[in-house]
Amino acid sequence: GESVGLHLPTLSVQEGDNSIINCAYSNSASDYFIWYKQESGKGPQFIIDIRSNMDKRQGQRVTVLLNKTVKHLSLQIAATQPGDSAVYFCAENSSGTYKYIFGTGTRLKVLA
Amino acid sequence: GAVVSQHPSRVICKSGTSVKIECRSLDFQATTMFWYRQFPKQSLMLMATSNEGSKATYEQGVEKDKFLINHASLTLSTLTVTSAHPEDSSFYICSTLGLNEKLFFGSGTQLSVL
Repeated sequence: GESVGLHLPTLSVQEGDNSIINCAYSNSASDYFIWYKQESGKGPQFIIDIRSNMDKRQGQRVTVLLNKTVKHLSLQIAATQPGDSAVYFCAENSSGTYKYIFGTGTRLKVLA
Repeated sequence: GAVVSQHPSRVICKSGTSVKIECRSLDFQATTMFWYRQFPKQSLMLMATSNEGSKATYEQGVEKDKFLINHASLTLSTLTVTSAHPEDSSFYICSTLGLNEKLFFGSGTQLSVL
């Protein structure tokens, strides 16, 4: 059988459609969350963040939703473009610890 | 946001040699930098926290004698992989905390040990 971690979950989306990438975070004490985009062979790039006193935050073409009750975070990308193809990670942090825990990641494939 | 420069981007070395990776904070004085390791198709795993002027804090399971970290100035942290072996082959990424707790990353170093 396959080992955990060898295959990233993949989301395939038609160009122009909206994408929703989900993340379940682990620590109920986490109060700050960031979504990162990582292209092949590069370091992660900051996309958008949200603090636990909010449940929604919007950026340019991206929206992050936070549901603290079920410890769930999502990233919505509107009008997905080929340049959005990458691996997306959520990261959680508790104030004052400066230690971020990263999710397993989701590969987004944009189909032309 | 903070600009982090990491060098080299790729290194291939023979087993038993040591490799040094540099991480510079270009526009921000970084008292704390972080070193991550990432295996193919996996997430980022924190290896150690590098503190300017003091010893690094290593995560459980990371050998401090194997992965030497030096943070001698507010703009430079280095990670030295000593006596590298094929199992050390990985993508190593440094990061620094910018304003408002945001984590900014370098471009990463792909280490291949033959």
